[in-house]
Amino acid sequence: KNEVEQSPQNLTAQEGEFITINCSYSVGISALHWLQQHPGGGIVSLFMLSSGKKKHGRLIATINIQEKHSSLHITASHPRDSAVYICAVSASNDMRFGAGTRLTVKP
Amino acid sequence: GAGVSQSPRYKVTKRGQDVALRCDPISGHVSLYWYRQALGQGPEFLTYFNYEAQQDKSGLPNDRFSAERPEGSISTLTIQRTEQRDSAMYRCASSPGLSGAYYGYTFGSGTRLTVV
Repeated sequence: KNEVEQSPQNLTAQEGEFITINCSYSVGISALHWLQQHPGGGIVSLFMLSSGKKKHGRLIATINIQEKHSSLHITASHPRDSAVYICAVSASNDMRFGAGTRLTVKP
Repeated sequence: GAGVSQSPRYKVTKRGQDVALRCDPISGHVSLYWYRQALGQGPEFLTYFNYEAQQDKSGLPNDRFSAERPEGSISTLTIQRTEQRDSAMYRCASSPGLSGAYYGYTFGSGTRLTVV
């Protein structure tokens, strides 16, 4: 079993929909990261969080340390949000990645 | 530099050849990480450095893989006697502190290696 599990694996939404991507992990962590991988392959760090909630524009990330669970929400989704979203957890200097969620937002 | 730079961007090599992949981290970043990402999968940790010291190489698949960062800046990941299963995107990331867990990571755009 992977230490970091994401769901869903693939997600298709209509423009404007509210989107949620979930991440569960089974190891102790120092921080959880949400990454966005564009179709061209580049990876951008969206959030790093160790507790509570963070918001950046239309993106919201939450984490529940006790339940070892995090969610990434996208409000008012747009086709340019189409990408692979990767959850990763880090402990000390190691980083473990989920398999990613492929999001497609249709106009 | 402004970001993490990796070269070459693409590398096609024949099975059995050695390849060297280069990562130039953000200037001043202390730690440097190497990851491998197979098509359709999430990244997989290979190894990391604090300054010039290799801290953890437990993720290197076998002894054909090695990495160095001799002056604590640029790093080279070398794969000897390449095999087709080595084909993947090889990514580098750097972090300003000793622990990327606390300081965050900046990723390079990767080197896509294809072994034919």
